[in-house]
Parts: sequence; C-alpha cells; structure tokens
Amino acid sequence: GDSVTQMEGPVTLSEEAFLTINCTYTATGYPSLFWYVQYPGEGLQLLLKATKADDKGSNKGFEATYRKETTSFHLEKGSVQVSDSAVYFCALLYGNNRLAFGKGNQVVVIP
Amino acid sequence: GAGVSQSPSNKVTEKGKDVELRCDPISGHTALYWYRQSLGQGLEFLIYFQGNSAPDKSGLPSDRFSAERTGGSVSTLTIQRTQQEDSAVYLCASSLGGTGRGTQAFFGQGTRLTVV
Repeated sequence: GDSVTQMEGPVTLSEEAFLTINCTYTATGYPSLFWYVQYPGEGLQLLLKATKADDKGSNKGFEATYRKETTSFHLEKGSVQVSDSAVYFCALLYGNNRLAFGKGNQVVVIP
Repeated sequence: GAGVSQSPSNKVTEKGKDVELRCDPISGHTALYWYRQSLGQGLEFLIYFQGNSAPDKSGLPSDRFSAERTGGSVSTLTIQRTQQEDSAVYLCASSLGGTGRGTQAFFGQGTRLTVV
C-alpha cells in the first residue's frame, strides 16, 4: 500500500549547519506530500506541502521538492537554529483522505 | 478554543479496563481523524469521519476499538478491555472537508495512554 519511508535515527547537528532529512514514498498515482513538525510539548503542525510533481514547498527557511522520478520529498534547511529542534514527519495523502506518516526524525540542534 | 482539543492529556489505566478518549475539533471542520503514535513508530491511521458519511474504520486494529462522532462535532474513541500494547499517544486531527489537495489537517496535542 501507499507508504512513506524516512531515514533512520535522530539527527544531531550544530547551529547554522545544513539539514537534510530524507523521505521517499511508495504510492499509486500522484499523492500530495507533506512535512509535519512536532516541537517539544506541542502538537503536530504542518510545516510545508507540495501537491504535484516538481512543486517546491517552503516555510520557515525549510524547503522540499516533490520529485516524481526518484519518488522523494527530502526536507532541507540551509542554516538551522536551536529553535528548529523538533521531530519531523514526512506524510502523503492517499485513498479516502488519509495521511500516511513516516516514523519521524528527532532533530537536535546544538548551540 | 481555536485549536483541536483532546482530553485527558494523560491516562493511566489497568489492563482489562475500558477507556474513553475525547476530541473536540475546530469549529466548522467537517473531517475528523484519529491516529495512534507508538514509541519509535510513525503515526498509524485509525479512523476517519467526514460529515454525515459512514466513517472509514479500516485502520482500527481490533474490535476492541470503536469511535463515535456526535452531531458532527465531538468524537470519542473507546478502547475496551485495554491491553499493554494499546499504550501509545492517540492523536486527533480535523480539517475542512477532508485533506484534499491543499487542505490542512490540524492536530491536537494527543492523549498519552499507559496501560499497566
């Protein structure tokens, strides 16, 4: 079935470093793709989205491009801040309006 | 409030007991979802309500799980005869008319259920 795979394990990096979190998907047709973020003590919130191939979603300095040829939607940010420490989930919309989520990546930014 | 509200925020229950988890969606949102987040796992879809349509229950893991949505607003997720593997964070989300292209789902902060 439709699914999302995120890279394994937490990500620890220094402030101002470049962040990449890999996300690949398996889907029939052309799903919409999302990145959600969960800051400490808060609920999940939408970070960015892309609804068709080659679309680029962007928000708060984060970007992700919908790549149909590689079935990927990698999240990137050029210079992370301590406040970006959170758990990041890749998701796709499939079937009867259901979101399928990856396992999430804990990102820790060290000052 | 302005967001999705879930209660209780934490629930500890004994194995075999029944529990009810409540979700108050954002006013005017016709779509409501329940997900489960287990330790080290992604979010697992449980059930989806859309307006007056029959709910999509395909994600419920067993017949011990059920959910209702009264009056198109508040929803209750019920777990009967709880087991230790039911321990997880249960998340509720709502959106305007489903998560069709461009529509955003808003999540509550979840209920952390611990079965001892």
